[in-house]
Amino acid sequence: AQSVTQLDSQVPVFEEAPVELRCNYSSSVSVYLFWYVQYPNQGLQLLLKYLSGSTLVKGINGFEAEFNKSQTSFHLRKPSVHISDTAEYFCAVSVHSSASKIIFGSGTRLSIRP
Amino acid sequence: GAVVSQHPSRVICKSGTSVKIECRSLDFQATTMFWYRQFPKQSLMLMATSNEGSKATYEQGVEKDKFLINHASLTLSTLTVTSAHPEDSSFYICSARQGSTEAFFGQGTRLTVV
Repeated sequence: AQSVTQLDSQVPVFEEAPVELRCNYSSSVSVYLFWYVQYPNQGLQLLLKYLSGSTLVKGINGFEAEFNKSQTSFHLRKPSVHISDTAEYFCAVSVHSSASKIIFGSGTRLSIRP
Repeated sequence: GAVVSQHPSRVICKSGTSVKIECRSLDFQATTMFWYRQFPKQSLMLMATSNEGSKATYEQGVEKDKFLINHASLTLSTLTVTSAHPEDSSFYICSARQGSTEAFFGQGTRLTVV
């Protein structure tokens, strides 16, 4: 079975500061990894995904993440955050199968201070 | 990215009545659709996975007779909350997947049972 751990439930940062949201996963087989963002009272929007190939993945809104197989991590980073980045961020994992569930972490609330 | 439309976005119903929520993939055929429930400030809890033309697979603890899922076509899945009670009030989110990579999410439905 797969699992996802998001170590920080809340991350407060100042505007224009860098941020890293941590994600670790557990799986005995190869997985796909995802980061989704959720704004209040809305569904989830895909930020980026790792399927294979380059371990550094760039997504929308200036976010990027690095897949580290040895540390089973997929941390999300942004060099300079904006007020509009305030949201809930979810890391997710799925195995390589069309019928596979997507398992979500508990989420990290990113709050940006002016 | 692909678009998933969920309707309605908000619904208020009386206790004991049934509510139907629709999830449509607008520009792709979804081989698999997922239904999630989200409590305030919590992660997404997978309720069931459905494949077109077959019965949904429910997660442990989810009542099949209470949460009826129909996946009639490759672009439409419905969740019916039968005999709703106040404890069923929640945010319900659907997602649709084509193949085995990322899933795309609907906007969510805020259900309030009074």
